[in-house]
Amino acid sequence: NAGVTQTPKFQVLKTGQSMTLQCAQDMNHEYMSWYRQDPGMGLRLIHYSVGAGITDQGEVPNGYNVSRSTTEDFPLRLLSAAPSQTSVYFCASSYNLYSGANVLTFGAGSRLTVL
Amino acid sequence: AQSVTQPDIHITVSEGASLELRCNYSYGATPYLFWYVQSPGQGLQLLLKYFSGDTLVQGIKGFEAEFKRSQSSFNLRKPSVHWSDAAEYFCAVGISNFGNEKLTFGTGTRLTIIP
Repeated sequence: NAGVTQTPKFQVLKTGQSMTLQCAQDMNHEYMSWYRQDPGMGLRLIHYSVGAGITDQGEVPNGYNVSRSTTEDFPLRLLSAAPSQTSVYFCASSYNLYSGANVLTFGAGSRLTVL
Repeated sequence: AQSVTQPDIHITVSEGASLELRCNYSYGATPYLFWYVQSPGQGLQLLLKYFSGDTLVQGIKGFEAEFKRSQSSFNLRKPSVHWSDAAEYFCAVGISNFGNEKLTFGTGTRLTIIP
């Protein structure tokens, strides 16, 4: 089925470990983004990309890296996990470029716990 | 920078009662406005959006929202709620700036439905 696929759905890490959250979409969307969701704080943008080879920082980029080598994939890397990165992470994509009228399609989320 | 305020953290309504969820935004021009819904354990789904034109917009599941420029508001309404409407609701604002692809979300309103 077409959509945004995130893996893994659940992950437990120890402080200092690294990992990558995977995001793939099969809708030929140019725009992809990562949000984190924390209680009482809504969704906050981590990084986004307007096309292959182009990425930019969002509201809370520290501690996270991204790359966009293909249109379909937008992985989020935690280089050295910290307890403050315990959160639910959502990947979202959209077709529209250079317009605030983004209609995002969201993945199902990845719940990360850092001990 | 744009911002979004959802003043109600949690609302409880009886099944069959009417519903209004509040959303206020801060932005110098007319933004693009969205309401998303998140069911427990799920990603976000678009309910409706306002880009321009008629200030009363209809969405899925019987929801509607009205853009009021004078009040900088975009409140979500439903005349009669169903138990399946229990979820968390997010208002979001986007702006039309070349290369600016950021959507800013509010902190969300959790809706509980009582029989």
